[in-house]
Amino acid sequence: ETGVTQTPRHLVMGMTNKKSLKCEQHLGHNAMYWYKQSAKKPLELMFVYNFKEQTENNSVPSRFSPECPNSSHLFLHLHTLQPEDSALYLCASSQDLRMDEQFFGPGTRLTVL
Amino acid sequence: RKEVEQDPGPFNVPEGATVAFNCTYSNSASQSFFWYRQDCRKEPKLLMSVYSSGNEDGRFTAQLNRASQYISLLIRDSKLSDSATYLCVVDGNTGKLIFGQGTTLQVKP
Repeated sequence: ETGVTQTPRHLVMGMTNKKSLKCEQHLGHNAMYWYKQSAKKPLELMFVYNFKEQTENNSVPSRFSPECPNSSHLFLHLHTLQPEDSALYLCASSQDLRMDEQFFGPGTRLTVL
Repeated sequence: RKEVEQDPGPFNVPEGATVAFNCTYSNSASQSFFWYRQDCRKEPKLLMSVYSSGNEDGRFTAQLNRASQYISLLIRDSKLSDSATYLCVVDGNTGKLIFGQGTTLQVKP
């Protein structure tokens, strides 16, 4: 099993839909992250979880709702998104919140119509 | 001023060339520095950490200049497979990792 997996890999949704992105890490890490990557822009940190507790919400709109049921799983629930939310959503994990290497999943490429 | 700044490129170089990228950062208290590589439509992967003394891994050399607040990545004897976007990553004001926009390298035959 690869280190960090994400599903689905591609998602197309309308503005009124509700969908969820899933991330799972098999590395025994304690910290997990959601990032957004838009074209021509740097990665934007959205949320940080440490030992399944949210430690950071980087001023993300409430239409994005994270959930971390345990240290290995992370979800991003989506509802009433806007077309400008179309992007690559990357999940990452690290051993802990020290400035360690982060391991990324393959991402979910989201298109909002 | 951006927390982490990189020239987006693209840098177009022939195979075998030596190419260097610089990255500047704004937080003088930063302690952790990395170069990540991101292939087209793939996730970022760690290329190398950057230590105060500099470090080398095969054809890749990373340097840190704390006084001028920049890090560099040197690639010698470029290969076609080196074509990618190289992300400079630094710990920011609040302890988070801050990613630069990336520098795109295209190695041509």
